[in-house]
Amino acid sequence: DTAVSQTPKYLVTQMGNDKSIKCEQNLGHDTMYWYKQDSKKFLKIMFSYNNKELIINETVPNRFSPKSPDKAHLNLHINSLELGDSAVYFCASSQSGTGGRTDTQYFGPGTRLTVL
Amino acid sequence: QKEVEQDPGPLSVPEGAIVSLNCTYSNSAFQYFMWYRQYSRKGPELLMYTYSSGNKEDGRFTAQVDKSSKYISLFIRDSQPSDSATYLCEMSSYNFNKFYFGSGTKLNVKP
Repeated sequence: DTAVSQTPKYLVTQMGNDKSIKCEQNLGHDTMYWYKQDSKKFLKIMFSYNNKELIINETVPNRFSPKSPDKAHLNLHINSLELGDSAVYFCASSQSGTGGRTDTQYFGPGTRLTVL
Repeated sequence: QKEVEQDPGPLSVPEGAIVSLNCTYSNSAFQYFMWYRQYSRKGPELLMYTYSSGNKEDGRFTAQVDKSSKYISLFIRDSQPSDSATYLCEMSSYNFNKFYFGSGTKLNVKP
């Protein structure tokens, strides 16, 4: 069984479009995250949700909007896509009741976004 | 200055070699230090997790933290071709509200 799954795996789209990436975890974890990994492998936290509540919101353009319908899902919607948004986006989850992270993060397989 | 610095490599070693991977950091508030392994086109997976200073060993892997020098290391003994991957360090403060990853070191173990 896949612990953290993301869809789609690959996403190729034109500049200016709006797209969404979905993430689901079946680990029963309370906290979920979105990361962006650029071409140089630099992994940067974007958002963190704990029990559907936004905990971490790093400096990210407001074109990026996370949505957590329940604690097992954290989706990422991106408006007006730009060339610089091209990257691999990873979802992750961890068991934490405090909103911080006290143990292992489990990462999804990533969504490779290419903006043309 | 970045919060965490890591040499991107690539680092190429023969099978069986001892590998040393390192990260330096600037924020003395970091208390938790992690190492992840990331295979090509896969998500990172946690290898080692250390709190504060000292050493931690798990099989062929040893994580070392020197807080006085703001320097952490991951040693891999008897390296195998299956160890070929990118290794990322991560650090966080005690309350975990701020955490930072290194840019990753690409390791290639040649058979």
